[in-house]
Amino acid sequence: DTAVSQTPKYLVTQMGNDKSIKCEQNLGHDTMYWYKQDSKKFLKIMFSYNNKELIINETVPNRFSPKSPDKAHLNLHINSLELGDSAVYFCASSQEFPGSPGDTQYFGPGTRLTVL
Amino acid sequence: QKEVEQNSGPLSVPEGAIASLNCTYSDRGSQSFFWYRQYSGKSPELIMSIYSNGDKEDGRFTAQLNKASQYVSLLIRDSQPSDSATYLCAVKTGANNLFFGTGTRLTVIP
Repeated sequence: DTAVSQTPKYLVTQMGNDKSIKCEQNLGHDTMYWYKQDSKKFLKIMFSYNNKELIINETVPNRFSPKSPDKAHLNLHINSLELGDSAVYFCASSQEFPGSPGDTQYFGPGTRLTVL
Repeated sequence: QKEVEQNSGPLSVPEGAIASLNCTYSDRGSQSFFWYRQYSGKSPELIMSIYSNGDKEDGRFTAQLNKASQYVSLLIRDSQPSDSATYLCAVKTGANNLFFGTGTRLTVIP
């Protein structure tokens, strides 16, 4: 059983399009995250949700909008895609509230987004 | 200054040797420190976490933390070709955000 799953695994699209990435975790965790990993492998947090509530919202263009229908799901919708949005997007989850010392995060397999 | 800094490498060691990976961080209020391993094309996976000054050992891996020097390291003993990957240092800052370094690419040569 996959603990943290994402769909799709690959996403190729044109500039200006709107796309969504879905994430689900079956670990029973309360907190979920979205990260962006650029071509230089730098992994940067974008958002964090705890029990469907937004906890962390880093400086991310408002074209990116996370949605958490329940605590097992955190989807990422991106409007008006730009070339610079090309990256690998990772979803993650953790048992504890962000800030707890033992906040171990488990990552999904990633979604490679290519904007042409 | 970046929150977390690592030498990007690549670091090459012969099989059986000790690989030493280093990381420094800027926020003195940081409390939690993690090492993740990421194989090419795969997602990061946690291999070690450390919260107190000193050493923490888990199998062939030893994490070392020195809060006074704002330094955390990972030692891999008896390195194997399967250890070849990028190792990401992650630090939870005083503001409860988790920051990752850019990673150190390790190659273990058979």
